[in-house]
Amino acid sequence: DVKVTQSSRYLVKRTGEKVFLECVQDMDHENMFWYRQDPGLGLRLIYFSYDVKMKEKGDIPEGYSVSREKKERFSLILESASTNQTSMYLCASRFTVLAGGNEQFFGPGTRLTVL
Amino acid sequence: GQQLNQSPQSMFIQEGEDVSMNCTSSSIFNTWLWYKQDPGEGPVLLIALYKAGELTSNGRLTAQFGITRKDSFLNISASIPSDVGIYFCAGLPWGGAQKLVFGQGTRLTINP
Repeated sequence: DVKVTQSSRYLVKRTGEKVFLECVQDMDHENMFWYRQDPGLGLRLIYFSYDVKMKEKGDIPEGYSVSREKKERFSLILESASTNQTSMYLCASRFTVLAGGNEQFFGPGTRLTVL
Repeated sequence: GQQLNQSPQSMFIQEGEDVSMNCTSSSIFNTWLWYKQDPGEGPVLLIALYKAGELTSNGRLTAQFGITRKDSFLNISASIPSDVGIYFCAGLPWGGAQKLVFGQGTRLTINP
């Protein structure tokens, strides 16, 4: 079974703190994604990575950065957390589309609250 | 970004009833995925569809890839309480796109 794990299920941080969200997948997937999910706004793509050390901005990258130093791990960084970044954060992974890997698998999510 | 039109937005049904929901787009897709999300959890992949006209089942769930490549539907037969949750469609646009496009979800509530 494909497994995507996220470092925390719940996180509470203060405004201005630097926040790290970690995601690990065990299926040797090339592509990894970070989304946030908010009521009424659906799933929105923050950043994605086609492979190690590669990253591309999604639809809402402002206030976030990412790191992909190893194939299995994709980190989302909030440089200076703000209250409007309170959200559910979801990591996902899949094989590259060129290899026929269109099935995308999600982690359990991290509920982040910024006070 | 682009979004899929998913309907209905919510459904209130009796246990045992069948459920049908669909997603449509003005664009062509080469993959349709259906997910279920429980409260506080990440989406879980239910069914993946790759060919126009393809009909695929997973237990009591059946999904179809529309002939026009612009729509897909999901049916749940004989609903049970654990079917409660939000169902999302997602599609990969035709033409080499790398990013999934999502529907807004259908919230299913079941009265026992």
